[in-house]
Amino acid sequence: AQSVSQHNHHVILSEAASLELGCNYSYGGTVNLFWYVQYPGQHLQLLLKYFSGDPLVKGIKGFEAEFIKSKFSFNLRKPSVQWSDTAEYFCAVFMNRDDKIIFGKGTRLHILP
Amino acid sequence: NAGVTQTPKFRILKIGQSMTLQCAQDMNHNYMYWYRQDPGMGLKLIYYSVGAGITDKGEVPNGYNVSRSTTEDFPLRLELAAPSQTSVYFCASSSTGHRVSGANVLTFGAGSRLTVL
Repeated sequence: AQSVSQHNHHVILSEAASLELGCNYSYGGTVNLFWYVQYPGQHLQLLLKYFSGDPLVKGIKGFEAEFIKSKFSFNLRKPSVQWSDTAEYFCAVFMNRDDKIIFGKGTRLHILP
Repeated sequence: NAGVTQTPKFRILKIGQSMTLQCAQDMNHNYMYWYRQDPGMGLKLIYYSVGAGITDKGEVPNGYNVSRSTTEDFPLRLELAAPSQTSVYFCASSSTGHRVSGANVLTFGAGSRLTVL
């Protein structure tokens, strides 16, 4: 079955720590990959996206993600987190053959000041 | 630009009642989606549509119905509300084109919080 898995449900870090959130998907066809962020009390907004080309993509606020096709993964990274990064992060996959977008369960990130 | 507009923002229903969540977008997007968000479960796709007159089931369609008579509107109907349908519902839309930059980037509505008692 098609699915998107996020390995960490809740992550707590101190400011300036490095961050990596895992995302794997199960789908054999062509995909577009996304990370969305939901700040407290707000709705989802796009953090970054991968369509084609360079598998390392950079997004807003210093975030980046790397698409590794052989591992069906699209992990999100940030070298040094800030307190304002406290939010919930969702990985999403557009499945080309089926024309639908499926989300992972989300990772709640809490940054300690 | 209004973007994606959802109504109502909040609603309390009794078990067995029916209601429709409205969703409208003014960006001429072909693709529209309904998701429900539950704590710890992420967003689950209920129904989606790739254009007027075309709808498809997502991951959790049971208990819901949709229609897409126009490009702009994509209402979600709950026929017999159940407590399991207590959730926050998000409507989203995107443009088409699998390799066009910007395609498939979702624009979300503000959400509709539904409680079924």
